[in-house]
Amino acid sequence: NAGVTQTPKFQVLKTGQSMTLQCAQDMNHEYMSWYRQDPGMGLRLIHYSVGAGITDQGEVPNGYNVSRSTTEDFPLRLLSAAPSQTSVYFCASSSPNRARANYGYTFGSGTRLTVV
Amino acid sequence: QQPVQSPQAVILREGEDAVINCSSSKALYSVHWYRQKHGEAPVFLMILLKGGEQKGHEKISASFNEKKQQSSLYLTASQLSYSGTYFCGTLTDSWGKLQFGAGTQVVVTP
Repeated sequence: NAGVTQTPKFQVLKTGQSMTLQCAQDMNHEYMSWYRQDPGMGLRLIHYSVGAGITDQGEVPNGYNVSRSTTEDFPLRLLSAAPSQTSVYFCASSSPNRARANYGYTFGSGTRLTVV
Repeated sequence: QQPVQSPQAVILREGEDAVINCSSSKALYSVHWYRQKHGEAPVFLMILLKGGEQKGHEKISASFNEKKQQSSLYLTASQLSYSGTYFCGTLTDSWGKLQFGAGTQVVVTP
């Protein structure tokens, strides 16, 4: 049981390049989210999904796209990278099933992205 | 809208107590608490639901005042392992939109 897997762990991009951050979970969780973490800003929600085919915007969605074609995968796409997108990105998943012992969010290990 | 946490930082000696507060301007469905060690991912500590249900797996307690949209996390008889940054997360409507505060850095010294 791997939990939430994020790839890559580190990435350096040039301004204007595009890329996709991958996130996969094997816990059959309905809910998945992407956050970015910057010093002093806490964790800010970029996009989230409550099930396959359903996504919505969080607090800071500009410059990012998501899709959810399967329950397991929730990739985050940077369309045209900017230095302001330099950050640590976390993917997280959860289930609303109250019968489960722990229904908090499980986080992946993060992707450290630098845009130069 | 992000919840507001206080204090921003606290330094404790082993065995001392501390309280971290979290407040929201919107009615809350639930409050989550997470701890993050330096260079690691946040780890779930506890969830408090409207109506009084609580679930957690650490020796850390919390309260939830639904009328005031506030929650507090109590670090009792702190241990060195309690060091880290604590985040509260709030859900105001659907389960999917969990928003976090800016965090409280806790340092426990011997």
